[in-house]
Amino acid sequence: DAEITQSPRHKITETGRQVTLACHQTWNHNNMFWYRQDLGHGLRLIHYSYGVQDTNKGEVSDGYSVSRSNTEDLPLTLESAASSQTSVYFCASRGGPNTGELFFGEGSRLTVL
Amino acid sequence: AQSVTQLGSHVSVSEGALVLLRCNYSSSVPPYLFWYVQYPNQGLQLLLKYTSAATLVKGINGFEAEFKKSETSFHLTKPSAHMSDAAEYFCASDTDKLIFGTGTRLQVFP
Repeated sequence: DAEITQSPRHKITETGRQVTLACHQTWNHNNMFWYRQDLGHGLRLIHYSYGVQDTNKGEVSDGYSVSRSNTEDLPLTLESAASSQTSVYFCASRGGPNTGELFFGEGSRLTVL
Repeated sequence: AQSVTQLGSHVSVSEGALVLLRCNYSSSVPPYLFWYVQYPNQGLQLLLKYTSAATLVKGINGFEAEFKKSETSFHLTKPSAHMSDAAEYFCASDTDKLIFGTGTRLQVFP
């Protein structure tokens, strides 16, 4: 069955370290998204991509970067982790704009000490 | 600018009572609208979606939502709550990217 997977599911790191969260989907979806979920804020869009070599900033993109070298993967990198980036991160994908359902990964819980 | 507002961060109902979760959207163009549910320690699952066909949309687990353009609303309802409905619910709006509301946590008491 097609799926979307995130790794690692849990990570603890220190302030200033670089961290990369992986996202891999097997639906061959063009659209991929990264969100962070924090209490009281719901899900906020970090970055998104509509296809290979395409990346776009969301509403909370500062301190994060993504790259899209193939259809299946959209890794999220924190160049220098900060305590404010402690959160649960969700990756999601869909076939295209307005196609309906966004498929979510199970989340990656990141703690920055 | 596109935005979604969910009124009430917490809603509590008794088992068997009506569930009403409120969502209002703001968009310069008619959006596609969605309700997602999140159970503890899981990702989000689609409950239902509005894509400009019927204004009353039926979803899974007995939930439905009505699109009201005049009120810019897309409230989620269920006639009779079940204990298993306890979860967090997110309304979302889609023009070019999917924007979520801040969520409503539903508690169901026996």
